[in-house]
Amino acid sequence: GENVEQHPSTLSVQEGDSAVIKCTYSDSASNYFPWYKQELGKRPQLIIDIRSNVGEKKDQRIAVTLNKTAKHFSLHITETQPEDSAVYFCAASINGNKLVFGAGTILRVKS
Amino acid sequence: NAGVMQNPRHLVRRRGQEARLRCSPMKGHSHVYWYRQLPEEGLKFMVYLQKENIIDESGMPKERFSAEFPKEGPSILRIQQVVRGDSAAYFCASSPGQGITQPQHFGDGTRLSIL
Repeated sequence: GENVEQHPSTLSVQEGDSAVIKCTYSDSASNYFPWYKQELGKRPQLIIDIRSNVGEKKDQRIAVTLNKTAKHFSLHITETQPEDSAVYFCAASINGNKLVFGAGTILRVKS
Repeated sequence: NAGVMQNPRHLVRRRGQEARLRCSPMKGHSHVYWYRQLPEEGLKFMVYLQKENIIDESGMPKERFSAEFPKEGPSILRIQQVVRGDSAAYFCASSPGQGITQPQHFGDGTRLSIL
């Protein structure tokens, strides 16, 4: 079955710097890759997603890149702010059905 | 448009009791997914349902756990004879389904505690 690995497990950055979180997946049939942000005690919130027919997608300070050949995808957050501090999860799925999540990255933005 | 609604938010049960978790999908969504999250871990897929059908239950324990999504009313995740290891946050997500890949939107979860 699908397996998703996520790195790093924790990431501390200075406010204003960029943050990058990387994921790899195992099932070449996966074609949908969402990223979720989860604050303590709250629901996971979808922040961006990418489908396998594109290599990059951007939404303001957030961007996601996908390398299908290497089965890698990454989340990039620029100009980080304290409110970006949260746990970020990547996931992979076939046609948007069951999501297989990475273990999560705790992002701390220091002001 | 209300989001995915889960209740109760918190549920406390003693070992051996039954737990029932409810999920009402977003309006217009016909696909429901249940995930379990242990403290400081990622979410693990349990089951995927459409109205009156279980599509994929590969993540559901074979015993004590069941799920349904009836024609009318919310989806129910039922855990019989609960044990301490069932303590977790249970999240429900919904999507419109039909056609191209649609994102899943999550509810606030039910935090289940077993005494």
